[in-house]
Amino acid sequence: DAKTTQPNSMESNEEEPVHLPCNHSTISGTDYIHWYRQLPSQGPEYVIHGLTSNVNNRMASLAIAEDRKSSTLILHRATLRDAAVYYCILRDVRDSNYQLIWGAGTKLIIKP
Amino acid sequence: NAGVTQTPKFQVLKTGQSMTLQCAQDMNHNSMYWYRQDPGMGLRLIYYSASEGTTDKGEVPNGYNVSRLNKREFSLRLESAAPSQTSVYFCASSRDRVVTEAFFGQGTRLTVV
Repeated sequence: DAKTTQPNSMESNEEEPVHLPCNHSTISGTDYIHWYRQLPSQGPEYVIHGLTSNVNNRMASLAIAEDRKSSTLILHRATLRDAAVYYCILRDVRDSNYQLIWGAGTKLIIKP
Repeated sequence: NAGVTQTPKFQVLKTGQSMTLQCAQDMNHNSMYWYRQDPGMGLRLIYYSASEGTTDKGEVPNGYNVSRLNKREFSLRLESAAPSQTSVYFCASSRDRVVTEAFFGQGTRLTVV
């Protein structure tokens, strides 16, 4: 299974954009890139996913490098509520089971 | 909207005791999952059910059993609890098992003493 590498933690100021990086140098052509986040004492929450093209939704944007070996989750205007652990996960659509391989994620700290 | 509901939220067991964690979803999803999360770690898949009537092992199935009771409900049973099973357990569901978002419950914090 292809793995992802994320920084352990990042800090950002409230109301500023946040760029969360993820490296996945062994990604295959059939791996989708998923992002989830987990607020303190809660279950994970889906953020966004993509394959090759950049993706936008109401929560965030996902920028995927042209060679797909890295991606960046962009929160356009961070709020205190965005403080969470963010997980970058690869999911191979050829897998016969639904197995998301979770790493330790990036703990995002938002400073008021 | 209830989404995915887990019961109980907290539980303390003695080594060797058994218990069942309950999970129900009201989104008419086909696939359901049980994960465990140890402190400071990501989630690990215990069992999943791709559709009603089927269950399969995930990454860490030893010591657990599951039942997909109907489309809505997916339970996780610990037959003889061990301290190594102290963890937070999350149930999740998704429309299918391909590339759709998963919805998670609030978790069950289990301590085995």
